[in-house]
Amino acid sequence: ETGVTQSPTHLIKTRGQQVTLRCSSQSGHNTVSWYQQALGQGPQFIFQYYREEENGRGNFPPRFSGLQFPNYSSELNVNALELDDSALYLCASSLGTQQNTQYFGPGTRLTVL
Amino acid sequence: GIQVEQSPPDLILQEGANSTLRCNFSDSVNNLQWFHQNPWGQLINLFYIPSGTKQNGRLSATTVATERYSLLYISSSQTTDSGVYFCAAPWTGNNRKLIWGLGTSLAVNP
Repeated sequence: ETGVTQSPTHLIKTRGQQVTLRCSSQSGHNTVSWYQQALGQGPQFIFQYYREEENGRGNFPPRFSGLQFPNYSSELNVNALELDDSALYLCASSLGTQQNTQYFGPGTRLTVL
Repeated sequence: GIQVEQSPPDLILQEGANSTLRCNFSDSVNNLQWFHQNPWGQLINLFYIPSGTKQNGRLSATTVATERYSLLYISSSQTTDSGVYFCAAPWTGNNRKLIWGLGTSLAVNP
């Protein structure tokens, strides 16, 4: 158990729909990073939120957006879903913005039909 | 940007055996990490090892930064070691963005 929770566990959507994934960070952590992991691949960095502001972004289009709340929990929103968005979405919380102290949640498995 | 390559892609061991996993990276790094992803998808940070050697129980890791590789050693493997092992390094110019290898998928048979 890492203390990081994600919801929902699984989700099925159709092309064109919108989805919101949620992450609760470990107590005391102020940074949340989001990753997309396609089947058989390593995680791909989407973006990071630090103290409610986006603090670094990977090579993902603007239809991937996020929020961080005052309690440091976070949401990942994906608009206009595409089939290739099917993946495991992982969030990781940390104290500060350096990557070496990340704790990962169990992930949300998104399937786009 | 930096490239991260792992070998072997797949590994099958008998319980009790030892193994070495390798991670090569294309550029100098100030941060190299090893992770274990269990069969249910949970990722655990094993080591933060930009250089030198660290040990944690039956696992140890060595990074030779000047030669751009890192090794993860698993001794006396157990079935609970099964899963995928990833190494990751920060993208050049943005330490907040980790570049991950494709992983080594390990199966330990009883």
